[in-house]
Amino acid sequence: EAQVTQNPRYLITVTGKKLTVTCSQNMNHEYMSWYRQDPGLGLRQIYYSMNVEVTDKGDVPEGYKVSRKEKRNFPLILESPSPNQTSLYFCASSRDLLGKNIQYFGAGTRLSVL
Amino acid sequence: DAKTTQPPSMDCAEGRAANLPCNHSTISGNEYVYWYRQIHSQGPQYIIHGLKNNETNEMASLIITEDRKSSTLILPHATLRDTAVYYCIVRPYSGGGADGLTFGKGTHLIIQP
Repeated sequence: EAQVTQNPRYLITVTGKKLTVTCSQNMNHEYMSWYRQDPGLGLRQIYYSMNVEVTDKGDVPEGYKVSRKEKRNFPLILESPSPNQTSLYFCASSRDLLGKNIQYFGAGTRLSVL
Repeated sequence: DAKTTQPPSMDCAEGRAANLPCNHSTISGNEYVYWYRQIHSQGPQYIIHGLKNNETNEMASLIITEDRKSSTLILPHATLRDTAVYYCIVRPYSGGGADGLTFGKGTHLIIQP
């Protein structure tokens, strides 16, 4: 089954304690992205990757890092989490084919930073 | 992505067709119209997309006006599981897959039993 898998689904942590949210896709997609969703602000892109070892900033990259060492994995790293990073996070993957671009989203990771 | 305008909420009776409008009056010639939905805090789900012709798939139909300034998503026989927030998004043909989708506030569709 084609899917994007995020782990963990729920995470409570404290300010400053480094954490990683993993994302994996089994569709051999070139493109992967991370979004965060906050009430009243909708989904906003954090970082994206166009292929292995190619990453770039989205709209709200501050406080986050990513890496793309393998095509299937795109982890999101919070080196020193702060309470304003409490949010619902989604990973997505896609392939661009003749103008058709469908993004497949993971189930989400709900993060609380105390 | 071009700006879209959608009603904030709509109701529809179970079993009836749900018609969700979207205004995209500033759409450019190379921009597609995409529809996604999000069922309560789950990951957004792709529904359908189109350029200028009407489109239909197993989930829905998409009707785009001739001037492409508006479109309507039709769920032909709505069920309770179709209760969700529906997002209308325009993005260019040349947009890379990594380009973020710009999700507005969408339409909260509530299917009534």
